[in-house]
Amino acid sequence: QVQLKESGPGLVQPSQTLSLTCTVSGFSLTSYHVHWVRQPPGKGLEWMGRIQNGGSTDYNSALKSRLSISRDTSKSQVFLKMNSLQTEDTAMYFCARWYYYDAYFDYWGQGVMVTVSS
Amino acid sequence: DIVLTQSPALAVSLGQRATISCRASQSVSISRYNLMHWYQQKPGQQPKLLIYRASNLASGIPARFSGSGSGTDFTLTINPVQADDIATYYCQQSRESPPTFGAGTKLELK
Repeated sequence: QVQLKESGPGLVQPSQTLSLTCTVSGFSLTSYHVHWVRQPPGKGLEWMGRIQNGGSTDYNSALKSRLSISRDTSKSQVFLKMNSLQTEDTAMYFCARWYYYDAYFDYWGQGVMVTVSS
Repeated sequence: DIVLTQSPALAVSLGQRATISCRASQSVSISRYNLMHWYQQKPGQQPKLLIYRASNLASGIPARFSGSGSGTDFTLTINPVQADDIATYYCQQSRESPPTFGAGTKLELK
């Protein structure tokens, strides 16, 4: 069945770089877009960016200068890298599959909590 | 970006009807396609798709959930509300990139 699972460090120091991995199963990255969405504690959902099935990427304009999304299709993994982290980047980070035909998120990972603190 | 506005919270009694609204800053409909979707999120969990394209029930979702609307105004209805439905509900549009979410409506027990 379709699964997505995020992994990465739970604690990152301010000004450092965050690296997260989304490992997927049950579908191919060459057939579906995968997005990253984050949620600060007690707040709503913020779209961060996506990698399309063909490999092209799009980013939230507010994060574009700090964010990079890539993938390794052979390992069924999508990567998020974001630099210059600040305390306001403390959030739960989710990866989610995009169902292209009706344009919604049909499967989500469980999320990984990232705290930015010294 | 398209801004989606939701009321922060709604208090409802078990067994009653809950109506949650979402208003878009511009139309999210293309022809007969209403590109608005609804998700449920419980504390500590990931969002779960409830309704897609405004009125279509996602797989495995109980029939007490329904959606309606077009253009800029959309509604998620839960009838009757059960204890398991206490959660935060988000609308999301895919009419334009980037996809955007409402701030969420927290469903609470009266």
